[in-house]
Amino acid sequence: KAGVTQTPRYLIKTRGQQVTLSCSPISGHRSVSWYQQTPGQGLQFLFEYFSETQRNKGNFPGRFSGRQFSNSRSEMNVSTLELGDSALYLCASSLYRGTSTEAFFGQGTRLTVV
Amino acid sequence: GQQLNQSPQSMFIQEGEDVSMNCTSSSIFNTWLWYKQDPGEGPVLLIALYKAGELTSNGRLTAQFGITRKDSFLNISASIPSDVGIYFCAGRDNQGGKLIFGQGTELSVKP
Repeated sequence: KAGVTQTPRYLIKTRGQQVTLSCSPISGHRSVSWYQQTPGQGLQFLFEYFSETQRNKGNFPGRFSGRQFSNSRSEMNVSTLELGDSALYLCASSLYRGTSTEAFFGQGTRLTVV
Repeated sequence: GQQLNQSPQSMFIQEGEDVSMNCTSSSIFNTWLWYKQDPGEGPVLLIALYKAGELTSNGRLTAQFGITRKDSFLNISASIPSDVGIYFCAGRDNQGGKLIFGQGTELSVKP
């Protein structure tokens, strides 16, 4: 069974641009969450999608947004990029929502803003 | 953002030694997850714990869900060079299920 697939693996963008990252969850998994990982802040929750609806949102500015499609694939978008947005963005796939379930991560997308 | 307290931050050990790391929280969690992350890769799930007091093993790894539901530990026995990496604990938030992560324990193993 294929794991979580994130594309692209690496991105270099200029300040002020926008970027879209993609995540395909494990087949059959319906919950997709996004996390930002930086050396200073560690792993921080961005948002969670389930059944094409955002169910939970972390403490990030409105420049960070996402969506989920009917096949459970998800995208996240960051507009008006800032240098501080440079990070590893990770997508986690879970079978369903809830507090008693595993979460499997993709390899991540390394975003560098210059 | 909210984080768990994970310790130690780093460990330098000799191959063959046992390792122990733990996480504590001021909040109760229903699920504890332990991950290992190699440089440039995503975290890989090692062990999932769902019940207070639960002790679960995965090969040389053993993890326990604390009885108070506010802590968990991970033990690695007879370490080998491929155990090198960063280990993270994560608790599932009780409101919606987002993961709250520890700061990580960086493990170095000397052959």
